[in-house]
Amino acid sequence: DSGVTQTPKHLITATGQRVTLRCSPRSGDLSVYWYQQSLDQGLQFLIQYYNGEERAKGNILERFSAQQFPDLHSELNLSSLELGDSALYFCASSPQGTTGELFFGEGSRLTVL
Amino acid sequence: AQSVAQPEDQVNVAEGNPLTVKCTYSVSGNPYLFWYVQYPNRGLQFLLKYITGDNLVKGSYGFEAEFNKSQTSFHLKKPSALVSDSALYFCAVRRGSSGSARQLTFGSGTQLTVLP
Repeated sequence: DSGVTQTPKHLITATGQRVTLRCSPRSGDLSVYWYQQSLDQGLQFLIQYYNGEERAKGNILERFSAQQFPDLHSELNLSSLELGDSALYFCASSPQGTTGELFFGEGSRLTVL
Repeated sequence: AQSVAQPEDQVNVAEGNPLTVKCTYSVSGNPYLFWYVQYPNRGLQFLLKYITGDNLVKGSYGFEAEFNKSQTSFHLKKPSALVSDSALYFCAVRRGSSGSARQLTFGSGTQLTVLP
């Protein structure tokens, strides 16, 4: 158990809908990262937050957004969903003052029908 | 920009034999290198990392990796494979001086199958 909690574990929805994925980082970790894992794209970095502020942005679509709240949990919002958004979405966190290994949650599997 | 290449999609090895999973990287400046393992329907688990110092780093479950700066490689190794080592392995890199923007760039993954 990495200490990173993601909900829901599985989500099935229809095209055009909007979903929210939630992540609670390990206790004391200030950074949260979101990754998308799909068969054709592999593991793609989406976005990073550090203590409530956006710190780095990767291949995140405009239809997707994220935020980190004062209690450090994070939410990834996916809107106007398309079939191609079906993937496993991972959240990871990292502690301060380390050389940067990330601790991953178990992921949220999104299926868009 | 930084990138990682894992040239083999699949590696098969017999139980008890040594295993190697290959990784090469490209990054400006000093690299921080990582190996992760993913079991079916699970998240990624950290195995080991190279930051600086000894080129041979040891990690969890008997795995080790060798950093080779001239070849820009960071191959994962284990002297004697177990069936339970069968999983998907990812190599990852980031720039050492990236401050608090510590996102990792991952390779495409190598499926390791250890045959009994």
